[in-house]
Amino acid sequence: KNQVEQSPQSLIILEGKNCTLQCNYTVSPFSNLRWYKQDTGRGPVSLTIMTFSENTKSNGRYTATLDADTKQSSLHITASQLSDSASYICVVSARDNNNDMRFGAGTRLTVKP
Amino acid sequence: GAVVSQHPSWVICKSGTSVKIECRSLDFQATTMFWYRQFPKQSLMLMATSNEGSKATYEQGVEKDKFLINHASLTLSTLTVTSAHPEDSSFYICSAPGSGVSGANVLTFGAGSRLTVL
Repeated sequence: KNQVEQSPQSLIILEGKNCTLQCNYTVSPFSNLRWYKQDTGRGPVSLTIMTFSENTKSNGRYTATLDADTKQSSLHITASQLSDSASYICVVSARDNNNDMRFGAGTRLTVKP
Repeated sequence: GAVVSQHPSWVICKSGTSVKIECRSLDFQATTMFWYRQFPKQSLMLMATSNEGSKATYEQGVEKDKFLINHASLTLSTLTVTSAHPEDSSFYICSAPGSGVSGANVLTFGAGSRLTVL
């Protein structure tokens, strides 16, 4: 069973609207959680990285939250743009072994005009 | 910031030939690099961990004789798909970790290499 679950699997929104993507994990002990954006046919690009003590981090129109107690994270996209259409991947690393990463299956976001 | 360069970005080859994909860390050293495989509309799947100066560590189910990994320097890892077959057609991506803020690793990905085997 995958230790990182993302929802929804896919999402379609209109340009200008906001949306929130979810990531639940069971990885333990926890080290950090990263959100990546992957355009079709490209490698993932880092959006945010959060450690245990951080519960929110922003990167432009992207805001990630982390609740280490409930093991949940969300990525909120504000005022979506067509260029936000991509897959968003949640990656969780275990403490003491940052090379042990667990990937979520990703959420495919489509922003329509 | 850290940059990982991957080459080639796409390659088409005949069945039975071997294909080499390079992954270079620019402006930083990477004693460890990771190789992934990604099928359409699916997430990344870790294939192996490449270790500079030693043998790669392969994930369960990945044939090490099929996917040869060489990490001969601190900035270069190569993945060779030997005797490629159409089912090997996929998107291959590498990544390299570095030291980031608060001691957390920042994982930088290459742009990926799309392999099509005819």
